[in-house]
Amino acid sequence: DTGVSQNPRHKITKRGQNVTFRCDPISEHNRLYWYRQTLGQGPEFLTYFQNEAQLEKSRLLSDRFSAERPKGSFSTLEIQRTEQGDSAMYLCASSLWGQNPTDTQYFGPGTRLTVL
Amino acid sequence: AQSVSQHNHHVILSEAASLELGCNYSYGGTVNLFWYVQYPGQHLQLLLKYFSGDPLVKGIKGFEAEFIKSKFSFNLRKPSVQWSDTAEYFCAVSPSGSARQLTFGSGTQLTVLP
Repeated sequence: DTGVSQNPRHKITKRGQNVTFRCDPISEHNRLYWYRQTLGQGPEFLTYFQNEAQLEKSRLLSDRFSAERPKGSFSTLEIQRTEQGDSAMYLCASSLWGQNPTDTQYFGPGTRLTVL
Repeated sequence: AQSVSQHNHHVILSEAASLELGCNYSYGGTVNLFWYVQYPGQHLQLLLKYFSGDPLVKGIKGFEAEFIKSKFSFNLRKPSVQWSDTAEYFCAVSPSGSARQLTFGSGTQLTVLP
């Protein structure tokens, strides 16, 4: 169990540029979640996958945001035409759904995005 | 939609003092409840969780929480804090159905003075 990993850990970009983040969940975890955390706030849910299917998207996820989990393993979160308001910590979590009704989400270290 | 309130934004205690952090939630159905902790420079870690059964749940590092359904509360307690408990604490809820996305409170920063 190597834990949830996220890359890059930090990303600085200019407004209008596209960025992509990657999340590698704990192996065999079938659920993967994306959250966003801004300073002084708790994480806010963005979207989640069960295997490769994206099951729910928050209203926070504007059209500029897209997430994929093509083979049911790692996931990517892309933000197009970044805005300064996108600056935040983007967190990924994974869990094993189905076998244990008390499934726990394990969080990665996050990717801190700064939009200049 | 569910919401979570953590009324204490910053708590400062001396070592050996007792701790209680408040958490209230709003949701029309059955929920699962969690406390996560984030130590300085580290990622979110689960302290404890409640799904069903005994409303008093025990977690790691001597923490416990009590679910009081009538008050929509899930307060976190520890009888004697240590300097190493300095961290940010987040209360979270998720619906009990198959969709398990977490709704977090805004967090409480705990500072324990040696």
